[in-house]
Amino acid sequence: EIVLTQSPGTLSLSPGERATLSCRASQSVSSSYLAWYQQKPGQAPRLLIYGASRRATGIPDRFSGSGSGTDFTLTISRLEPEDFAVYYCQQKGSSWTFGQGTKVEIK
Amino acid sequence: EVQLVESGGGLVKPGGSLRLSCVASGFTFTSAWMSWVRQAPGKGLEWVGRIKSQTYGGTTDYAAPVKGRFTLSRDDSKNTLYLQVNSLITEDTAVYFCTKTFHSDSSFDYWGQGTLVTVSS
Repeated sequence: EIVLTQSPGTLSLSPGERATLSCRASQSVSSSYLAWYQQKPGQAPRLLIYGASRRATGIPDRFSGSGSGTDFTLTISRLEPEDFAVYYCQQKGSSWTFGQGTKVEIK
Repeated sequence: EVQLVESGGGLVKPGGSLRLSCVASGFTFTSAWMSWVRQAPGKGLEWVGRIKSQTYGGTTDYAAPVKGRFTLSRDDSKNTLYLQVNSLITEDTAVYFCTKTFHSDSSFDYWGQGTLVTVSS
């Protein structure tokens, strides 16, 4: 099973700042099978990025994904108040696994 | 508008069973591959299982911790997905989300609001 490790665990930033979230895999992941989700308290996760870099329907262009192999990144170019949440990466190999999450909190 | 509405959660004793349901609307359920993902209180996300469409035999796959205890099924005439959970243990306590798989089975593009299963004596 592929293990995904996200860093940092918590990111403290101010609105308008840039957020860079990392997701590292224990073995190589096909870029087609790497996704990112946003989850707010009491809500279901929302798909942001699939195929490592493709934005899901309705996702603002301040969200972008990049990376390949074992290292992937989610970037939020300028944080809006509604972007403070927990973010998960996810891969599909022989099964689906998620990272442990990165919390983006208001500084 | 896509909607996934789960039900069937509740409090159950260790060793007990429940059947979770997910009613889908707003997309062609018969051709959709569907999954369940769970989230223990205060914890991260864990994939539980996936069922393919009947065109692909309705075959199922399960995560190792639930294999042999959980069973996915679907009733396309009712646009409904089911998760039969048996031999429950305390570690199964979680919110269970119904999801639609997407992009060659790689990710989950729509999620229900979840139903809470609590396993406790």
